[in-house]
Amino acid sequence: QVHLVQSGADVKKPGASVKVSCKASGYTFTSYLIHWLRQAPGQGLEWMGVINPSGASIYYAQKFQGRVAMTRDTSTSTVYMELSDIRSDDTAVYYCAREQSSPYSNDALDIWGQGTMVTVSS
Amino acid sequence: DIQMTQSPSAMSASVGDRVTITCRASQGINNYLAWFQQKPGKVPKRLIYAASSLQSGVPSRFSGSGSGTEFTLTISSLQPEDFATYYCLQHNSYPWTFGQGTKVEIK
Repeated sequence: QVHLVQSGADVKKPGASVKVSCKASGYTFTSYLIHWLRQAPGQGLEWMGVINPSGASIYYAQKFQGRVAMTRDTSTSTVYMELSDIRSDDTAVYYCAREQSSPYSNDALDIWGQGTMVTVSS
Repeated sequence: DIQMTQSPSAMSASVGDRVTITCRASQGINNYLAWFQQKPGKVPKRLIYAASSLQSGVPSRFSGSGSGTEFTLTISSLQPEDFATYYCLQHNSYPWTFGQGTKVEIK
């Protein structure tokens, strides 16, 4: 069975960094891109960026440029998203989700992680 | 960035009603459009991909249509388990963008 399993909830102080992991299983890790999205309490879904586990090419939404870093470890089939200098409006559930990496793929975000609640509070 | 304008933002409907939700893209996105359902406290679930392809395991009362800039999600006969929030997503170009969501509530 295909799964994306994320790390557990975290509480951070403003100005700190938070790192969320997303471990893939049940499929070929390098055949799918991993996207990161988030959802603030009571709000809609927001796309943060994407990493290609195969070649490690990355695209970040401009809103997060300079504060976000997405990395991968192919030996453990795990992708990481680190957000730095966090503030109260970064409080949200963070999700990873996969997309087939073949050219012109129209098969996006079929499988999601369970979500990771990140709370920013002093 | 491509803006996705979803309407309505909320609606009340009864079991058995036909429900239509629309997403309009600020520029053409071919058929790189997906629809998701989200219930409170749950992970979003993909219903439709490639604008009109039904996700495996999703009831056939859900359908998607459209291309270019106008897209529609239709629920042919609303069931109790369909009360949720629905989002469209364009993935034609980065940054990917979602519609603001449609909350379907019980009338």
